[in-house]
Amino acid sequence: DTGVSQNPRHKITKRGQNVTFRCDPISEHNRLYWYRQTLGQGPEFLTYFQNEAQLEKSRLLSDRFSAERPKGSFSTLEIQRTEQGDSAMYLCASRGTFNSGNTIYFGEGSWLTVV
Amino acid sequence: AQSVTQPDIHITVSEGASLELRCNYSYGATPYLFWYVQSPGQGLQLLLKYFSGDTLVQGIKGFEAEFKRSQSSFNLRKPSVHWSDAAEYFCAVGEGGYQKVTFGTGTKLQVIP
Repeated sequence: DTGVSQNPRHKITKRGQNVTFRCDPISEHNRLYWYRQTLGQGPEFLTYFQNEAQLEKSRLLSDRFSAERPKGSFSTLEIQRTEQGDSAMYLCASRGTFNSGNTIYFGEGSWLTVV
Repeated sequence: AQSVTQPDIHITVSEGASLELRCNYSYGATPYLFWYVQSPGQGLQLLLKYFSGDTLVQGIKGFEAEFKRSQSSFNLRKPSVHWSDAAEYFCAVGEGGYQKVTFGTGTKLQVIP
């Protein structure tokens, strides 16, 4: 169990550019979540995958945001035409089946700074 | 919709003193409740969780929390705080089916010598 891995850990981009974050969940975890955390706030739910199916999206996930999990393993979160308000930490988390416990494990996060 | 309130934004305690962090939740059914800790620039580490059963749950690093349904509370406690406990603490509630977790705004803990 190597934990949830996120890359890159830090990204500085110019406004208007596209960025992509990758998340590798714990092996065999079929549930994957993306959260966003801004300074001084708790993490906010963005989206949820069960295997490759995206089952829920928050209204926070505007049309500039897209998340995929093509083979039910790793996931990507892409932000198009970034804005300064997108600056935040993007957290990925994963969870196994019910029998393996209901604990969600978080990665270290990917910091995005839009200048 | 579920929600979590952590009324204390910042708490300062002396090393060796006891600690209690408050958490109140709003959720219609029996909640799944969690406490996470986050060090600066890091991800979230689970301290403890409550799903059912004994309302006093033990976690890692000497933390415990008590679920009180009548008060809709899930306060975190530690009898003796160590300097390494300085971090931000988040209470969270899980939706039925556990498909997403809603976090509070966090309590930042400062430990002074």
